[in-house]
Amino acid sequence: KNQVEQSPQSLIILEGKNCTLQCNYTVSPFSNLRWYKQDTGRGPVSLTIMTFSENTKSNGRYTATLDADTKQSSLHITASQLSDSASYICVVSARNAGNMLTFGGGTRLMVKP
Amino acid sequence: SQTIHQWPATLVQPVGSPLSLECTVEGTSNPNLYWYRQAAGRGLQLLFYSVGIGQISSEVPQNLSASRPQDRQFILSSKKLLLSDSGFYLCAWRTGVLYEQYFGPGTRLTVT
Repeated sequence: KNQVEQSPQSLIILEGKNCTLQCNYTVSPFSNLRWYKQDTGRGPVSLTIMTFSENTKSNGRYTATLDADTKQSSLHITASQLSDSASYICVVSARNAGNMLTFGGGTRLMVKP
Repeated sequence: SQTIHQWPATLVQPVGSPLSLECTVEGTSNPNLYWYRQAAGRGLQLLFYSVGIGQISSEVPQNLSASRPQDRQFILSSKKLLLSDSGFYLCAWRTGVLYEQYFGPGTRLTVT
C-alpha cells in the first residue's frame, strides 16, 4: 500500500531560526515528490517538485532534498518568518495510470516572534 | 494564466439537507479535475477525479457524488448530508507537465 509519513506532526520555532521537516514514503513506482504549503483555510500551494533524478531543489528560503534510495525527503526552511506558519504537506506521485497522488498528513509549523 | 474557482467559500448545512459545491477552471482545456476532502487536522483524501466530461472515478465509497457537465466544471453533490461530511473540500486540476496539481481556495463545510 502506498503511504507517505511526515514528521514531526507539529513544530514550534522562533522567528529567524531554521527547521527541517521530514517525509518518508513507500510509493511505487515512484514518479515525483512535491512539497506543498497550506495556510489555514486555504488550498495547498506548491513549493517544490522533484523527479527521481533530482536530489535537491530550492525555492527561496525553502530547500527540498530527495533520497530515492532510502525513500526519504526533507524540507529545510532557512531564517524562518512569521508567514512561514502553515501546514507543509509531502505528496508523492506514482508512475502509473492516472499518476495518482499519495498525501502525507502534513507538519503544522508555527513560527513565533 | 490558469485560475481555479470554488464556491461557496463556507457553508453551514443541517444534517439531511442536500449539497452542491462547484468548481470551475479557467485558462486551460480538458484538464483532469479532482475533489479532495480534508478533515480537521488530517491529510487530504481523494474523493473523485475526472479525466473528461461525464467521466467520474470514485476513490472512496460514501455519501457524496460528483459530476462534470462541462469541460471545466466539476460539481460535488450529496442528496442527504451526514455529520461526518463536515470538512474542508478542495478542488484541483492537473497539468500534463510533471502532472503538477493546482488547488482551489477550498470550501469549508460544517454539517450541524
